[in-house]
Amino acid sequence: LAKTTQPISMDSYEGQEVNITCSHNNIATNDYITWYQQFPSQGPRFIIQGYKTKVTNEVASLFIPADRKSSTLSLPRVSLSDTAVYYCLVGGAGRGSTLGRLYFGRGTQLTVWP
Amino acid sequence: DAGVIQSPRHEVTEMGQEVTLRCKPISGHDYLFWYRQTMMRGLELLIYFNNNVPIDDSGMPEDRFSAKMPNASFSTLKIQPSEPRDSAVYFCASSKSTDTQYFGPGTRLTVL
Repeated sequence: LAKTTQPISMDSYEGQEVNITCSHNNIATNDYITWYQQFPSQGPRFIIQGYKTKVTNEVASLFIPADRKSSTLSLPRVSLSDTAVYYCLVGGAGRGSTLGRLYFGRGTQLTVWP
Repeated sequence: DAGVIQSPRHEVTEMGQEVTLRCKPISGHDYLFWYRQTMMRGLELLIYFNNNVPIDDSGMPEDRFSAKMPNASFSTLKIQPSEPRDSAVYFCASSKSTDTQYFGPGTRLTVL
């Protein structure tokens, strides 16, 4: 079971860059790293996914060091609407790399203040 | 596409009653997941299916919980009998073989 560890909560102010780090020491060779975002009263939604180095999309960047035992989600210039819970996952049923359970846990509650 | 559809959105029942939650995955997706979310335990995977076949049900808390997927477009999660500690938000998600899961809006279950 590729369990992850991430901070329970983080605070930031509007316009700042936020970095949320996730530890996944027992990540398997074929595992991908995926981040989800959840707003209150909604289901989680996909933000970004990567395997190594750096991935960037219109929402965030994902930094993965060479050993892949951790990853950092970077949100540039956050706004109040980025207040949400952020989950880090490793594995992926679809790729057959970890056909066991996918661990969401409690995620990181990010609160953005004005 | 309408996304993952769950019903009902809210369910209030009394202890001992049977509860059935329903999910319609996104068309073409071959994986379906059932999750439970509580403040204490966060988001937990209960069971997932691949091509309508249950692959891993080790997250199902006990025999009171059962899940079925009779066809590619429908799944149910049943709790019988229900208990107050089953109160939670239950999410259904589906995916194609690309790891990105698409979640439904959830069913908020309250067992009195």
